[in-house]
Amino acid sequence: QVQLQESGPGLVKPSQTLSLTCTVSGGSISSGGYYWSWIRQHPGKGLEWIGYIYYSGSTYYNPSLKSRVTISVDTSKNQFSLKLSSVTAADTAVYYCATTADLTGWAFDIWGQGTMVTVSS
Amino acid sequence: SYVLTQPPSVSVAPGKTARITCGGNNIGSKSVHWYQQKPGQAPVLVIYYDSDRPSGIPERFSGSNSGNTATLTISRVEAGDEADYYCQVWDSSSDHPVVFGGGTKLTVL
Repeated sequence: QVQLQESGPGLVKPSQTLSLTCTVSGGSISSGGYYWSWIRQHPGKGLEWIGYIYYSGSTYYNPSLKSRVTISVDTSKNQFSLKLSSVTAADTAVYYCATTADLTGWAFDIWGQGTMVTVSS
Repeated sequence: SYVLTQPPSVSVAPGKTARITCGGNNIGSKSVHWYQQKPGQAPVLVIYYDSDRPSGIPERFSGSNSGNTATLTISRVEAGDEADYYCQVWDSSSDHPVVFGGGTKLTVL
């Protein structure tokens, strides 16, 4: 059973770059057929999709964040990562990594536990 | 981009049936997924492909989708079902393919 675990700093200063990593265990990120996503949730609010990456490296980003987002994959470490540049307080949120596949109609069937990131000086 | 509309809250007594709606333009032509999120926890997929249940999800959870409305139905509601519920679609024709509804807080009275 695939499991996901987010890691990274819980506090980031304004204007800096937020960097998070999602480690995949119980399966290979290179197995194909799965898209690896980042999703965030502002405090007390709903879910916002940030973007996804395929193991080949192809990416797709939320247009509203596209100019600041980079998602990358490291197949050797079975990890994928999120970088969000020029952060402001509005980027304070719980960040989740999740996986989706054609098999489930592109539903997010596996989620990490989430990691809280606060943007503050 | 595509918009999904959910009621902010739904209340139901234990043992009764809860219905949570998700509205969208011609949503019946899309596959709808539903997530349950309890406080401090990650979302959990409870329905995918409109009405399929992942393993481990009780049969009390069911879904339907037609026209402009998808519905998550929870039968014989239990106190443990109290949570936020989100609908989601994958709109492959859009530059914003992943869309979530705003969420519905289910309160068990």
